[in-house]
Amino acid sequence: KQEVTQIPAALSVPEGENLVLNCSFTDSAIYNLQWFRQDPGKGLTSLLLIQSSQREQTSGRLNASLDKSSGRSTLYIAASQPGDSATYLCALDSGYALNFGKGTSLLVTP
Amino acid sequence: GAGVSQSPRYKVAKRGQDVALRCDPISGHVSLFWYQQALGQGPEFLTYFQNEAQLDKSGLPSDRFFAERPEGSVSTLKIQRTQQEDSAVYLCASRATSGRPSTGELFFGEGSRLTVL
Repeated sequence: KQEVTQIPAALSVPEGENLVLNCSFTDSAIYNLQWFRQDPGKGLTSLLLIQSSQREQTSGRLNASLDKSSGRSTLYIAASQPGDSATYLCALDSGYALNFGKGTSLLVTP
Repeated sequence: GAGVSQSPRYKVAKRGQDVALRCDPISGHVSLFWYQQALGQGPEFLTYFQNEAQLDKSGLPSDRFFAERPEGSVSTLKIQRTQQEDSAVYLCASRATSGRPSTGELFFGEGSRLTVL
């Protein structure tokens, strides 16, 4: 079974900092990787989808990279804002269902 | 509809009661998934529908869990004789496409939070 690990489990940064969230996986035979954001008591909001043939995707202040050979993905958040505070989940699609990590809980302080 | 809609948002059940959770996917979406998310964990796959066909139910934790999607749109997840360990958020998600490899984003509802006393 695909194992997905997210490091760190929790992160607190002051507003304005750039930060990197890490996701590692054990099986490189994936079709795509998706980063989600989850606010407390809410569902998941898709942030970025990287197809297996791609190396990175960008949306606004977010940039996600994918290195299948090393089994790693990173989510880079530039100029963090308090509104970025949430749990960030990476998920791998190895067939049709997603395998999720446990998430990184991010707190951006004013 | 504009997004994936789930009801009820919150459900409190006494141990042993049956519950039914409803999911309205995005109109026209072929694929529908149910996930279970325990506190502090990532979502875990429960079951997958392609239109009305349940193609994978390998993630259902026991035979007390049953899901259906009779007309290929709305889906219901039913849990019989609920136990305390069933307490979790149940998330529904839909995708426009089907098959392997899958393409396109997965859109999630806000979930149904089940608490079993």
